[in-house]
Amino acid sequence: GAGVSQSPRYKVAKRGQDVALRCDPISGHVSLFWYQQALGQGPEFLTYFQNEAQLDKSGLPSDRFFAERPEGSVSTLKIQRTQQEDSAVYLCASSLVVGTGERNTQYFGPGTRLTVL
Amino acid sequence: AQSVTQLGSHVSVSEGALVLLRCNYSSSVPPYLFWYVQYPNQGLQLLLKYTTGATLVKGINGFEAEFKKSETSFHLTKPSAHMSDAAEYFCAVSEVNTGRRALTFGSGTRLQVQP
Repeated sequence: GAGVSQSPRYKVAKRGQDVALRCDPISGHVSLFWYQQALGQGPEFLTYFQNEAQLDKSGLPSDRFFAERPEGSVSTLKIQRTQQEDSAVYLCASSLVVGTGERNTQYFGPGTRLTVL
Repeated sequence: AQSVTQLGSHVSVSEGALVLLRCNYSSSVPPYLFWYVQYPNQGLQLLLKYTTGATLVKGINGFEAEFKKSETSFHLTKPSAHMSDAAEYFCAVSEVNTGRRALTFGSGTRLQVQP
């Protein structure tokens, strides 16, 4: 079956513009995660959904970042008034079940590379 | 808070040589442990994971890792490197029994394989 897909794959924005990044998780996956990967770094957690509920947004760097998953499937990460420091790859991951451990492997999409000029 | 340390941001080996990528974690309770590989312009692919049971874990593409609680380590090895192994490798942990679902990643190790 299809894996996690993300669109667009590349986005260039001028400083101050708003952007929206889309994630299509694997069908039936309950959990959805967003991560931010700066150049040369490991991914850093942004936020987590269980179905449509956003249960953890502790990693969102500012109130300019907003994520939603209204129907418990597709998710959108929105960044308002983009800044140069927002330039990064934004990765989405999904997992089948809730909880940690054996059956909660996170499957990652290819990411969206955001460049803010 | 958990942290993951990957010693060596770049590792270079010859084709056919042993691959050893180091990972140490900092956690009061042994976490679940993962190794992911990232090829250029692609997402992360799971190589292997340790949750419970046997501490020597075998993954895809001939990789394996051993969980050593006493050393708080989860080093990744492969007996014989192949050119196709050249990629970025990330060690990650997740908490056990806290309800926190997020993965905490190390900063990555770029593996180069020389012909």
